[in-house]
Amino acid sequence: KAGVTQTPRYLIKTRGQQVTLSCSPISGHRSVSWYQQTPGQGLQFLFEYFSETQRNKGNFPGRFSGRQFSNSRSEMNVSTLELGDSALYLCASSPGTGGYSPLHFGNGTRLTVT
Amino acid sequence: QKEVEQDPGPLSVPEGAIVSLNCTYSNSAFQYFMWYRQYSRKGPELLMYTYSSGNKEDGRFTAQVDKSSKYISLFIRDSQPSDSATYLCAMPPTTSGSRLTFGEGTQLTVNP
Repeated sequence: KAGVTQTPRYLIKTRGQQVTLSCSPISGHRSVSWYQQTPGQGLQFLFEYFSETQRNKGNFPGRFSGRQFSNSRSEMNVSTLELGDSALYLCASSPGTGGYSPLHFGNGTRLTVT
Repeated sequence: QKEVEQDPGPLSVPEGAIVSLNCTYSNSAFQYFMWYRQYSRKGPELLMYTYSSGNKEDGRFTAQVDKSSKYISLFIRDSQPSDSATYLCAMPPTTSGSRLTFGEGTQLTVNP
């Protein structure tokens, strides 16, 4: 079974630009979660989608948004990029929602904002 | 104060050493504890999980939970260079509206 696929692997953007990251979950998984990973802060939860609906949201500004398509693929968008948005963005899928459903992570998209 | 605290290290040990990785947490409602392992340039992968206090063993790995002290540990016996990675503890939410809460992760290097 193919794992979670994230594209692109690396991105370099300029302050003020916007960016869209893509995630394809494991086949059959309906939940997709997004995390931001930075040194010093670790993994911070962004949001979770299940069956095209946002189920949970972390404490991030409205510049961070996401969506999920009918095939469970998900995209995450960050508008008006700031230097502090430089991070590894990880997508994880799971069969169901809820904290006890284990997460299967992709290898992430490394975003650098200059 | 963060809900889950983990010393980021780095921790460097010789091959064959016993490694102890630890997390403390503040929310006594946490009932389920996970350890993820993240290799360089990869996403985290679930290593072990445990529901209750006490020990759970899986090969060279032992997960230990002490709920009275709000302290969890991961022990690695006979550590190998292939164990070099970042280890993250994680706990599910106790209320709706979130997902797993992760520790910052401890970077481990096992030297041959």
